[in-house]
Amino acid sequence: AQSVAQPEDQVNVAEGNPLTVKCTYSVSGNPYLFWYVQYPNRGLQFLLKYITGDNLVKGSYGFEAEFNKSQTSFHLKKPSALVSDSALYFCAVRDTNTGGFKTIFGAGTRLFVKA
Amino acid sequence: SQTIHQWPATLVQPVGSPLSLECTVEGTSNPNLYWYRQAAGRGLQLLFYSVGIGQISSEVPQNLSASRPQDRQFILSSKKLLLSDSGFYLCAWISANTGELFFGEGSRLTVL
Repeated sequence: AQSVAQPEDQVNVAEGNPLTVKCTYSVSGNPYLFWYVQYPNRGLQFLLKYITGDNLVKGSYGFEAEFNKSQTSFHLKKPSALVSDSALYFCAVRDTNTGGFKTIFGAGTRLFVKA
Repeated sequence: SQTIHQWPATLVQPVGSPLSLECTVEGTSNPNLYWYRQAAGRGLQLLFYSVGIGQISSEVPQNLSASRPQDRQFILSSKKLLLSDSGFYLCAWISANTGELFFGEGSRLTVL
């Protein structure tokens, strides 16, 4: 079965410092991996995805993520954090074994960026 | 461009009352549609998905049901709400081209 783990409930970082939000996954085939962000009382917004190709993918708002097949990880990164990056971040994997119909989400990591 | 609408945005209902949450998508045809529930502002639980009119797959046995009466309409229902049904309900559709999900703004349900 597909699964996603986000080991940190919360990440705290000072504005201007680099940030990393961790994600590991388990899939039986080739992974389709995603990051989404959620602001309070809003729906989720797509940030970036990995399907195939370059292991480093770039997304919205200066975020990027690195796919590491040997470590089954897909950590979200940003070189310089902004206070406005404070939000809830979700890693997700698309379940290709069911025809790609289901997307499974991690539990989420709350990012706090201090001014 | 595609848009997705959910309503109502907030709802407070007594235990035992019925529920109907609606979701509509515009700008695309024959989308795969999803209902997720988010409890306590954290993880998302997939409740139902639909690949076409009248086709519903249930992920978790529960007090809720879903229907898809039209191509771009997805409805979440309950005949009798429980306290545990409280949560933030999110509707989404998936882009066949890019594989990403597009979410509505959510419906917050409080059962008292």
